[in-house]
Parts: sequence; structure tokens; C-alpha cells
Amino acid sequence: DAKTTQPPSMDCAEGRAANLPCNHSTISGNEYVYWYRQIHSQGPQYIIHGLKNNETNEMASLIITEDRKSSTLILPHATLRDTAVYYCIVRAISYNTDKLIFGTGTRLQVFP
Amino acid sequence: GAGVSQTPSNKVTEKGKYVELRCDPISGHTALYWYRQSLGQGPEFLIYFQGTGAADDSGLPNDRFFAVRPEGSVSTLKIQRTERGDSAVYLCASSVSSTGLGGYTFGSGTRLTVV
Repeated sequence: DAKTTQPPSMDCAEGRAANLPCNHSTISGNEYVYWYRQIHSQGPQYIIHGLKNNETNEMASLIITEDRKSSTLILPHATLRDTAVYYCIVRAISYNTDKLIFGTGTRLQVFP
Repeated sequence: GAGVSQTPSNKVTEKGKYVELRCDPISGHTALYWYRQSLGQGPEFLIYFQGTGAADDSGLPNDRFFAVRPEGSVSTLKIQRTERGDSAVYLCASSVSSTGLGGYTFGSGTRLTVV
């Protein structure tokens, strides 16, 4: 199974862009990159996912390198409510499985 | 319901006892997943259901753990002869189907403490 590596913590000023990096150098060609976040005492919340193209939605943007060995989650205008643990995840799907392989996450602290 | 519901939210049990954790997925979601999250760690996969059948139970740590989903909706995770190392938050998630690539919806979890 592919695994992900993330910095354990990051800080970001409110209103600025938060760029969260992730390495997934052993990802397979048919495995997707997903990002979730988790606020204390809650279940993980889906943010965005991608295969090889960059993606954007109302929450964030996902930039995946051409070789797919790393990606960056971008929160364009961080708010205090974005303080959470952010997980970069590989989703393994086949005829007999569908599972998210979580790493240890990045604790993002947004400060005023 | 509007989201994935897990009951109880907290469970304290004595070592050696049997426990059941319940998950009510979002109505119409055919895929259901169980994960376990230890303190300070990311969630770890336990089991995946597609409909009533367990398509992948490779994450269950040993034969003390078992999960069912008899009617393709509600699921129960069962732990026999609980050990202190089983203490964790048990998360349930559901999705429309495993072929859809949207994200899963997670519940808030059941915090299990074995004393």
C-alpha cells in the first residue's frame, strides 16, 4: 500500500493562503489522492481529491505533480475555523477493496 | 438521516467484556466502512461492506473483531474479550457506492475505553 508523508505541524496567518505539502512517492497508477481534515472530537471531513490533474472546489485547490509523487493542498484564504488536522490520503480501489490509507497528518494552526 | 450516526458516542467497558458498536449510514448509501483511530494517529482501515457483504475485512486486527450488516443498512462492529489495547475511537463512514469517487461521509465515532 502506498503511504503518505506530511509535516507534523504548520502555522498560517488568517486571510493568507495555507499550502500543505504531501509526499506519496509509492503511489500506484490507479490510486487517487484524497484530502480530509479533522477537527477535534469530530469525524474526518472530505475536502478534495484528484488522480493526476489539478482540482479546485469551493473549499480548496489540489496541485499534483506530473510524476504524481507529491501534492499540495491549498486553502486560498485561511480562517480560524480552518484550524484542524489535515490528512493526505491514498485511496486504494479494486474489485475487492475500497479503503483510505491515512498518514499521520499535518496539524494546521491558523492565527489571527 | 442527514449524516452517519454512531451509537453510543462513548463506551467504557471492563477488560474481557463483549461490546457492540452501531453505525447508521446515510440512507441509500450502499458502501459502509469501519476505521479505528488511536490517540494521535490517523484512522486505520478495518472493514469495508458493499451491500450486505464484507468485501474486504483485511484490516480487522484479529478474530476478536467481527462486523455485520445483515440488511445492507445498519452495521454493528462486535468486539469479544476486550483488551486495554482496543481503546480507541471507532469511526464509521458511508458512501453512495465504492465506484463513486466522491468522498466518504464519516460519523463522529464511538470512543471505546477498556479499563
